[in-house]
Amino acid sequence: GESVGLHLPTLSVQEGDNSIINCAYSNSASDYFIWYKQESGKGPQFIIDIRSNMDKRQGQRVTVLLNKTVKHLSLQIAATQPGDSAVYFCAEGMGNNQGGKLIFGQGTELSVKP
Amino acid sequence: DAGVTQSPTHLIKTRGQQVTLRCSPKSGHDTVSWYQQALGQGPQFIFQYYEEEERQRGNFPDRFSGHQFPNYSSELNVNALLLGDSALYLCASSWGLADTEAFFGQGTRLTVV
Repeated sequence: GESVGLHLPTLSVQEGDNSIINCAYSNSASDYFIWYKQESGKGPQFIIDIRSNMDKRQGQRVTVLLNKTVKHLSLQIAATQPGDSAVYFCAEGMGNNQGGKLIFGQGTELSVKP
Repeated sequence: DAGVTQSPTHLIKTRGQQVTLRCSPKSGHDTVSWYQQALGQGPQFIFQYYEEEERQRGNFPDRFSGHQFPNYSSELNVNALLLGDSALYLCASSWGLADTEAFFGQGTRLTVV
């Protein structure tokens, strides 16, 4: 069935290091992906998105990589800060006649050690 | 520019009761989607509203219903509440029906006792 999953449920990094959060998706027809950050007690916060006609997109301190061949998505956070501590979700847009419907993975908890 | 706003923030209901949750989309957005997020899980799609009609629905029973108003705001109604309905209910707004940026509110924490 449809699913978006994450390889690692938890990730602990030292402040200042780079973080890489991975995600696998199963629907090869999907052409839109979003990364969200969710802090405790808050709603998901949009970080960055990417469409399938791209394999890389950069934002402020973040980079998303998309490998359609192996259906893999990653989020790289440069110079990780304590404020980056949160749960990170990748979400897959279903496209076609299901535009706007997002399928979320389980999430990866990022912990930044000072 | 206000983002997505939801009310109430927290709610406690008794099993069997009915609840209504509200959402105002981000300015400029006309599509509202609702998600249920159980503790430790990713959000699960409930349904989507556009032009005051339900356009898509996830795997949720008919006890879950909704409405969208002419000003694009939306309500989520849940009837005959079960203990398992306890969750964070999230509203996301976007523009149109294509896959595009979706922004979430802070959610409503529903506890059914």
